[in-house]
Amino acid sequence: GEDVEQSLFLSVREGDSSVINCTYTDSSSTYLYWYKQEPGAGLQLLTYIFSNMDMKQDQRLTVLLNKKDKHLSLRIADTQTGDSAIYFCAEMGGGSYIPTFGRGTSLIVHP
Amino acid sequence: DAGVIQSPRHEVTEMGQEVTLRCKPISGHDYLFWYRQTMMRGLELLIYFNNNVPIDDSGMPEDRFSAKMPNASFSTLKIQPSEPRDSAVYFCASSLTGTSGVTGELFFGEGSRLTVL
Repeated sequence: GEDVEQSLFLSVREGDSSVINCTYTDSSSTYLYWYKQEPGAGLQLLTYIFSNMDMKQDQRLTVLLNKKDKHLSLRIADTQTGDSAIYFCAEMGGGSYIPTFGRGTSLIVHP
Repeated sequence: DAGVIQSPRHEVTEMGQEVTLRCKPISGHDYLFWYRQTMMRGLELLIYFNNNVPIDDSGMPEDRFSAKMPNASFSTLKIQPSEPRDSAVYFCASSLTGTSGVTGELFFGEGSRLTVL
């Protein structure tokens, strides 16, 4: 079945850029998502990208998609302590409305 | 809209007891999902419904787990009997198929943290 892989932890200094990476196996993926989970809360959609796009920028967030390598990344510029959370990569495609989630990357921002 | 509402937020129970978790999806949404989150396994899809009908329950770990959706505005996840390894955060999420909004976006509740002693 489909698989989504991401590293479990990332530690960055406040003010630096964070890059969270994700790989997926489903070549029919149509939508790719980044969800954010703050402590004690549920997941919330942060941003998304269509598979026919290479890049999407939204304020401090930049999503890059390499469809050939099935690699997705999320870059957070000027990372703040409020960005500390778990970030989940997810993909959906093949006519399905059921996204497949990765295990999540815990982003730790230290002063 | 109030979002997806789950109850209880926290539940502590003893092994062998029955646990019932409740979910009210966003009005008008046609998909409802139950997930379990643990440190060891991450986020696991347990079961999902479409228009109140269970579509895929292959993620339900054992027969001790059951889920129902008697109507479009309510779903339950029941564990009977509960065991310590069921301790986790259980999330309910809902989504809407169609052309409005972000296709495939799931709206999550705040979760029910279950501790089985």
